[in-house]
Amino acid sequence: DIQMTQSPSSLSASVGDRVTITCRASQSISSHLNWYQQKPGKAPKLLIYAASRMQGGVPSRFSGSGSGTDFTLTISSLQPEDFAIYFCQQSNSTWTFGQGTKVEVK
Amino acid sequence: QVQFVQSGAEVKKPGASVRVSCKASGYILTTYTYAIHWVRQAPGQSLEWMGGINTGNANTKYSQNFQDRVAITRDTSASTVYMDLSSLRFEDTAVYYCARAIDGYSYSGMDVWGQGTTVTVSS
Repeated sequence: DIQMTQSPSSLSASVGDRVTITCRASQSISSHLNWYQQKPGKAPKLLIYAASRMQGGVPSRFSGSGSGTDFTLTISSLQPEDFAIYFCQQSNSTWTFGQGTKVEVK
Repeated sequence: QVQFVQSGAEVKKPGASVRVSCKASGYILTTYTYAIHWVRQAPGQSLEWMGGINTGNANTKYSQNFQDRVAITRDTSASTVYMDLSSLRFEDTAVYYCARAIDGYSYSGMDVWGQGTTVTVSS
């Protein structure tokens, strides 16, 4: 199975900060990488698919990049509603998720 | 607007089985384009893919972690997908989600999710 490792596992940030979360695959997954946001008690929400393509309705402050084994999710200017947990997911071979990154208020 | 509504919370004893349903609206369940997947999340943990079903031809694929205990089926007349998990263990306590993705297309994410169903395994 392909393992997905996210870093950091948590981070503290302020509104307006630029936030970067990384995700590394245990083997090459081309661009078969998706990013989700999850808020407490809610289902995950798809933000980015195919590494860099934005899902409809997602604010443009979110962006994704990378290919092969290393990927990044960037929030250009953190907003109050962005405090949540973010998961990466590979779709190259079945589906596996990273362990999540919790974005907390500084 | 595509929406999935899942069945209510369940409490089961170890060794029992559970069925969770996922009713689709705004979406034709017989389409071959999509698969409905089941993903679970234990308390405070990440997400774990269990398996999925192509809603058009009912082909299924399961995670090796659940191969012998999970069955995913669909009832097109009821616009509902079912997930049956047997031989329940304490560690199966989790929130179970259904979610949609384009079938067989590795550039697809899971774009529509159900609200989640809490399954608690307790003696």
